[in-house]
Amino acid sequence: QVQLQESGPGLVKPSETLSLTCTVSGYSISSGYYWGWIRQPPGKGLEWIGSIYHSGGTYYNPSLKSRLTVSVDTSKNQCSLKLSSVTAADTAVYYCARKGRSGWYADYWGQGALVTVSS
Amino acid sequence: EIVLTQSPGTLSLSPGERATLSCRASQSVSSSYLAWYQKKPGQAPRLLIYGASSRATGIPDSFSGSGSGTDFTLTISRLEPEDFAVYYCQQYGSSPWTFGQGTKVEIK
Repeated sequence: QVQLQESGPGLVKPSETLSLTCTVSGYSISSGYYWGWIRQPPGKGLEWIGSIYHSGGTYYNPSLKSRLTVSVDTSKNQCSLKLSSVTAADTAVYYCARKGRSGWYADYWGQGALVTVSS
Repeated sequence: EIVLTQSPGTLSLSPGERATLSCRASQSVSSSYLAWYQKKPGQAPRLLIYGASSRATGIPDSFSGSGSGTDFTLTISRLEPEDFAVYYCQQYGSSPWTFGQGTKVEIK
């Protein structure tokens, strides 16, 4: 069974870089699929942030592209997110998710990690 | 960017009743690339439907999706106690992929 688990700091200061890691179990990232991130600010809707294929192909949300880096470490079976120059608007629950086989929907999700941007 | 509007915001129903949730897109969703998810507090979101009408693995046939173009529907034929949750639609026909604001199905 595929399981995803997010980890990282729960509090980040404004203007700094938000960093999260997703550890995948039950499936080898190097076997395929895109792996990435979706977020939900408090009281707001979901937003697909970005995703990466094990060989390096990426999809980034155009609205975040200039601040975003998504990477993959196949040796650790992990996917990572870095979002620079954060503001309070980046406060959200961040979910790790796997892209579905036949399109850009998410067929597996992590439980989510709340990241608050505050000084 | 395609904006998805879900209605109603909250649906109050009793177990055993039928639930009909709507998702309307601001532009046509190409190839019916629309998905539905279920979200319960403290749990990971769960994929229910993709391609507008294909059930994901392990999803009971009480859940069905329909629609095309700009109007899509998720139907739960008979509500079980575990079906009370928030439901989101998502389009993936046009980048950026976008989600609706959600419909909460609550016990009446």
